[in-house]
Amino acid sequence: GQSLEQPSEVTAVEGAIVQINCTYQTSGFYGLSWYQQHDGGAPTFLSYNGLDGLEETGRFSSFLSRSDSYGYLLLQELQMKDSASYFCAVPNQAGTALIFGKGTTLSVSS
Amino acid sequence: SAVISQKPSRDICQRGTSLTIQCQVDSQVTMMFWYRQQPGQSLTLIATANQGSEATYESGFVIDKFPISRPNLTFSTLTVSNMSPEDSSIYLCSVALGGLHEQYFGPGTRLTVT
Repeated sequence: GQSLEQPSEVTAVEGAIVQINCTYQTSGFYGLSWYQQHDGGAPTFLSYNGLDGLEETGRFSSFLSRSDSYGYLLLQELQMKDSASYFCAVPNQAGTALIFGKGTTLSVSS
Repeated sequence: SAVISQKPSRDICQRGTSLTIQCQVDSQVTMMFWYRQQPGQSLTLIATANQGSEATYESGFVIDKFPISRPNLTFSTLTVSNMSPEDSSIYLCSVALGGLHEQYFGPGTRLTVT
């Protein structure tokens, strides 16, 4: 089956850089996605890595190493509004739906 | 992207009753999903509801308890039947655009069963 591991909590200060790691175990691999969810809100899609390497979208970047079954989300120039939960996700074994990690709660302080 | 609405946004129901949650999308999509999320927890997939086929349920979820309809490419319903307090949760629908990895979620339905 599929399983994902990510830290439960991360804290940082405004302007800093934070990295949220995600390790996964899958029987087949179709890529790693990242979602952001603010308290009381719906998850929103942030980024996707289908191949090894770094994908950059503004202040956010995501990295994947398929040989290590590992990826991370990098958030730069942190702002208070980045305080949220971040989920990594991979497709299920059949490739028909996403399985989400338990989420990492990021708290940004001033 | 897609704009997704859900009705109701929240409800308080008595045990033993049923609630139907509606999910409306502003564009035609094939892949639609229903999730459940406890506050502060991860998303648990209930079922995949692709138009033109029967819903596929995940382990631990059965059609008698969570019947799903998908009459067209822009709409779906999830019914939570014979509710118990354990069904209290946030229920979210999502659609996949441009691939499974890129999903867009509705605002959720917060259900409390007393």
